[in-house]
Amino acid sequence: KAGVTQTPRYLIKTRGQQVTLSCSPISGHRSVSWYQQTPGQGLQFLFEYFSETQRNKGNFPGRFSGRQFSNSRSEMNVSTLELGDSALYLCASSARHATNEKLFFGSGTQLSVL
Amino acid sequence: DAKTTQPPSMDCAEGRAANLPCNHSTISGNEYVYWYRQIHSQGPQYIIHGLKNNETNEMASLIITEDRKSSTLILPHATLRDTAVYYCIALEYGNKLVFGAGTILRVKS
Repeated sequence: KAGVTQTPRYLIKTRGQQVTLSCSPISGHRSVSWYQQTPGQGLQFLFEYFSETQRNKGNFPGRFSGRQFSNSRSEMNVSTLELGDSALYLCASSARHATNEKLFFGSGTQLSVL
Repeated sequence: DAKTTQPPSMDCAEGRAANLPCNHSTISGNEYVYWYRQIHSQGPQYIIHGLKNNETNEMASLIITEDRKSSTLILPHATLRDTAVYYCIALEYGNKLVFGAGTILRVKS
């Protein structure tokens, strides 16, 4: 069974641009979560989508948004990029939005903002 | 979600058991204890989780104290590939993880 797939693996953008990252969850998984990892702040939760609806949201500005499609694939968008948005963005999938769930993470997209 | 406390780093000899402690003294009755690890440049990997009882799977064992205020992750025979950052997380919903700084485990030959 294929794991969580994130594309692209690396991305370089300049300040002020916008970026869209893609995540394909494990087949049959309906929940997709996004995380940001930086050396200074560590791993931080961005948001979670289940059945095309945002179920949880972390403490990030409105420039960070996401969506989920009917096939459970998810995209994350960051508008008006800032230097501080340089980070590893990780996507994770799980079968359900529930207690007693375990997440499966992708390898991430490394975003560099110049 | 309850706050967890872990030692910043630990060393373990290859082939020996690695015992990683975690304190979660404010954990509530509905919160599970999860362990994930992250090997450099990769996404976190699920290891194990439990609520009250001790748990074991092919990767590790999880020992939770009777009062649930602390737990220990045991890697029975650590290898060099187990060198990673280990995160202990206490939460009710498994979909929204709150990561702390974790414990850097260094397995040495």
